[in-house]
Amino acid sequence: EVQLVESGGDLVQPGGSLRLSCAASGFSFNTYWMDWVRQAPGKGLEWVASIKEDGSRQDYMDSVRGRFTISRDNAKNSLYLQMNSLRAEDTAMYYCARDPIYGAFDLWGQGTMVTVSS
Amino acid sequence: DVVLTQSPLSLPVTLGQPASISCRSSQSLVKSDGNTYLNWFQQRPGQSPRRLIYKVSDRDSGVPDRFSGSGSGTDFTLKISRVEAEDVGVYYCSQGSHFGQGTRLEIK
Repeated sequence: EVQLVESGGDLVQPGGSLRLSCAASGFSFNTYWMDWVRQAPGKGLEWVASIKEDGSRQDYMDSVRGRFTISRDNAKNSLYLQMNSLRAEDTAMYYCARDPIYGAFDLWGQGTMVTVSS
Repeated sequence: DVVLTQSPLSLPVTLGQPASISCRSSQSLVKSDGNTYLNWFQQRPGQSPRRLIYKVSDRDSGVPDRFSGSGSGTDFTLKISRVEAEDVGVYYCSQGSHFGQGTRLEIK
């Protein structure tokens, strides 16, 4: 079955760190860009980061650049998001999404919830 | 930077009636390859987003043909020919890393 399954979301204090994972199955993971998209409670969709098929290029939204790191392990069909110096405004459901071209996200995971609060 | 503006933000519709959502871009979305990568996503309550339409008007597999996309340049539209109960949710247009604010469709 073609699917993405996220994990790693949790309640964390401001300034803390968290690592999200996304396990891909049913397709050739190493032939797609992959992205993280988040959604704050009751709000819209917000692109966070993307990574090229071979991991050689990463792009970030301005507010997370320098704090978040997107990476992938093609041997394990897995995508990651290392989140450091977390802020209350990072509280959101985080989705991993397959990106066939120019953000045309054609496959989404079920999401993993990150809550940043003391 | 591209800004996508959707209207309306709230759309009450009677079952069986048509619905239309507009998405306007602050700049042309035509890429250097000549294609326009404007997408539409549906997010039902409590679910992940699902792509309905890509490249302005191409419908994804399994998407009912009552959904259609149109437009060019900076103005795009998602139309539902006859709204059904399962269409309730929020609809987003997108291009690249940019999303519209979302339009909430509800049944009157």
